[in-house]
Amino acid sequence: EVQLVESGGGLVQPGGSLRLSCSASGFTFYSYAMHWVRQTPEKRLEYVSAISTDGLSTYYADSVRGRFTISRDNSKSTLFLQMTSLRPEDTALYYCVKGLTYAVSACHNWGQGTLVTVSS
Amino acid sequence: EIVLTQFPGTLSLSPGERATLSCRASQSVSSSFLAWYQQKPGRPPRLLIYDASSRAAGIPDRFSGSGSGTDFTLTISRLEPEDFAVYYCQHYGTSTRTFGQGTKVEIK
Repeated sequence: EVQLVESGGGLVQPGGSLRLSCSASGFTFYSYAMHWVRQTPEKRLEYVSAISTDGLSTYYADSVRGRFTISRDNSKSTLFLQMTSLRPEDTALYYCVKGLTYAVSACHNWGQGTLVTVSS
Repeated sequence: EIVLTQFPGTLSLSPGERATLSCRASQSVSSSFLAWYQQKPGRPPRLLIYDASSRAAGIPDRFSGSGSGTDFTLTISRLEPEDFAVYYCQHYGTSTRTFGQGTKVEIK
């Protein structure tokens, strides 16, 4: 069974940083593209970032490019999202998602999410 | 960036009825990279349809997707009680990946 467990969320002041982690199990982690998707308090889904199987190719939404960095450790089946220069509008539930395939694809399996709150 | 507009915002129907949900893209979606998700309160989204018309594993055949270019449709042939939820469409191209704002299917 695919399991994705996010951690690292919390309350942070504007301008601060957080590092999210996602521990994956139940599948061959290095064979799948991985994604981060967030859901705002208004329930809007926003695609944040994606990373290829080997970590060499990444994608970022315009709203986070230059502030967020996605990475993965295939030896530990773990996905990361380093978030810097956080803004109130980054407040959301952040989901770790396994892609349907190794390539550009739909978001197949979702974790339960970790909550990030940016507020002073 | 491709903007996805879903309509209607809310669909009020009874169990057993047919539901038709629409998703319109601001420009043509390449290779039908369009997915549909279902979300229930307190749960993460669940993938229903990918590549516009392919059902994900374990999804009942009452769910079907169609469309191409800029207009896509999710059809639920006969609503079951567990189908009342919010549905999102998503485009997943190489240069742009966006979600629609969602359609809520509620019990009439």
